[in-house]
Amino acid sequence: GENVEQHPSTLSVQEGDSAVIKCTYSDSASNYFPWYKQELGKRPQLIIDIRSNVGEKKDQRIAVTLNKTAKHFSLHITETQPEDSAVYFCAASIMLSTNAGKSTFGDGTTLTVKP
Amino acid sequence: EPEVTQTPSHQVTQMGQEVILRCVPISNHLYFYWYRQILGQKVEFLVSFYNNEISEKSEIFDDQFSVERPDGSNFTLKIRSTKLEDSAMYFCASSPLGGAAYNEQFFGPGTRLTVL
Repeated sequence: GENVEQHPSTLSVQEGDSAVIKCTYSDSASNYFPWYKQELGKRPQLIIDIRSNVGEKKDQRIAVTLNKTAKHFSLHITETQPEDSAVYFCAASIMLSTNAGKSTFGDGTTLTVKP
Repeated sequence: EPEVTQTPSHQVTQMGQEVILRCVPISNHLYFYWYRQILGQKVEFLVSFYNNEISEKSEIFDDQFSVERPDGSNFTLKIRSTKLEDSAMYFCASSPLGGAAYNEQFFGPGTRLTVL
């Protein structure tokens, strides 16, 4: 089955700096890669996603890149703010035309943004 | 804005008992999911559901687990005989699209299951 590795497990940055979180996946059939932010005791919330036919996507301070050949994708947060502090999860999903699909999550990265 | 809801927010049960966790997906969504998250660990996929049948399931989703959409609005997860290691937060999620037109999954607030 799919295996998703996420690094680093913890990341501490100064406010205003950039943060980068990287994930690798093993199953070349994965075709959808969402990133979730989870605050303590809350539900995961989608912050950005990318599909396998796209190499890069940006939404204000957040961007995601995908390298299908190398099977890795990365989350980039620029101009970090203290409210960006949370656990971030990547996921690799296999979405087929006939069913609801399946997602495998990474272990998570605890991001701390110091004011 | 419509949200996925889950009840109860916290369920405490004795080992060996059956529990049913309930979810109400967003009304026009067609694809449904259950995940679990053991405290401090990653989110783990359990099962996906579409067109009144299971689409995919993980190795965790063994014979002790079942899902049902009994009335067109609720989506339930049943654990027949709970074990200590079933203690976790269980998240339901739904999506308006799937398959080749995959889209965002919206997560519910979770049910914390504690097995004593």
